[in-house]
Amino acid sequence: GNSVTQMEGPVTLSEEAFLTINCTYTATGYPSLFWYVQYPGEGLQLLLKATKADDKGSNKGFEATYRKETTSFHLEKGSVQVSDSAVYFCAPSLFGNEKLTFGTGTRLTIIP
Amino acid sequence: NAGVTQTPKFQVLKTGQSMTLQCAQDMNHEYMSWYRQDPGMGLRLIHYSVGAGITDQGEVPNGYNVSRSTTEDFPLRLLSAAPSQTSVYFCASRAQGTINYGYTFGSGTRLTVV
Repeated sequence: GNSVTQMEGPVTLSEEAFLTINCTYTATGYPSLFWYVQYPGEGLQLLLKATKADDKGSNKGFEATYRKETTSFHLEKGSVQVSDSAVYFCAPSLFGNEKLTFGTGTRLTIIP
Repeated sequence: NAGVTQTPKFQVLKTGQSMTLQCAQDMNHEYMSWYRQDPGMGLRLIHYSVGAGITDQGEVPNGYNVSRSTTEDFPLRLLSAAPSQTSVYFCASRAQGTINYGYTFGSGTRLTVV
């Protein structure tokens, strides 16, 4: 069945390190792909999105590319900051346009 | 400020009690939904609504009721609280047909059932 698999955390990095959080999915069609971020004590916010193959979503220095061949949407950032500490959720629209399926979330902590 | 407002922020219930979690949005969004967030399980959809008077079940609807009498409000009712319903609950909304613009989430209600 349709599902999403997200890299488990927690992930701890030093400031200015390179970040990758893996996300893969299984789907019968071609879903839209999203990354959401949850800062401490807050609700989720849309970080970036890609709606078709080879699209690259980007925001706040984060990037993710829609890879149809590998059904993946890995989140990357070249140089992380302490303010990037949060929980990140991969969320493809696996069941049509009405619903998102959220991954289990990856807690990221950046240390100075 | 425009957005999704959830009340209360924190609540402790005894097993068997009932309560309503409130959710209101002022963006005229047609689509509203309720999620619960549990450690290691991400967010799971409880119920959703595509417009006033229309609701449907999500992934984990048992033990919860919803109604949508107005576009603005989408309350979630716990009929008889159980410890398994201890969780953080999020309400989210978006305009119909614009999943690509993302959801707006409330700041959550942390519920503890003892």
